[in-house]
Amino acid sequence: ETGVTQSPTHLIKTRGQQVTLRCSSQSGHNTVSWYQQALGQGPQFIFQYYREEENGRGNFPPRFSGLQFPNYSSELNVNALELDDSALYLCATERGAGYNEQFFGPGTRLTVL
Amino acid sequence: AQSVTQLDSQVPVFEEAPVELRCNYSSSVSVYLFWYVQYPNQGLQLLLKYLSGSTLVKGINGFEAEFNKSQTSFHLRKPSVHISDTAEYFCAVSQRTNAGKSTFGDGTTLTVKP
Repeated sequence: ETGVTQSPTHLIKTRGQQVTLRCSSQSGHNTVSWYQQALGQGPQFIFQYYREEENGRGNFPPRFSGLQFPNYSSELNVNALELDDSALYLCATERGAGYNEQFFGPGTRLTVL
Repeated sequence: AQSVTQLDSQVPVFEEAPVELRCNYSSSVSVYLFWYVQYPNQGLQLLLKYLSGSTLVKGINGFEAEFNKSQTSFHLRKPSVHISDTAEYFCAVSQRTNAGKSTFGDGTTLTVKP
């Protein structure tokens, strides 16, 4: 158990729709990163939030956006869903600078039809 | 920029045999290195990490890895595997300035046969 939870577990959407995925972490974990893991591939870094501000972004378009809240929860929003957005979305949290260890949630499996 | 190459996509091995999962990386700066395990329909669990110091790192479940800076490798080893070690294994690298922005390899499927 990592203390990181994600909801929902599974989600089915159609192309063009919007989706919000949620992540909740342990108290004090003020850094959260989101990853996309397509089938048969390793996770790819989407973006990171630190103390509610975006702190780096991978090679993903602006229709991928996020929020981090003071209660150590966060959201990943994806607009105008495309078929290629079908993947497992993972969030990972850290206690902050110097700990150098991420704790991963179980992921949300998104299917876009 | 940094990248990770896991040299074997699938590794079948018999129970109680030794195993090595290979990982090479490239980066223009000093890095941290990680190995994660992922069981079906689950998130990633950290097996071990190299931050600094001794190049031989011991992790959970009897796994260890050796950091080789000259060969830019970080191979994972276990002297005797169990059926329960069957899973997907991922090698990852991050810059020392931010361990949370990790680059992952495409994974190695370890299948342990009885």
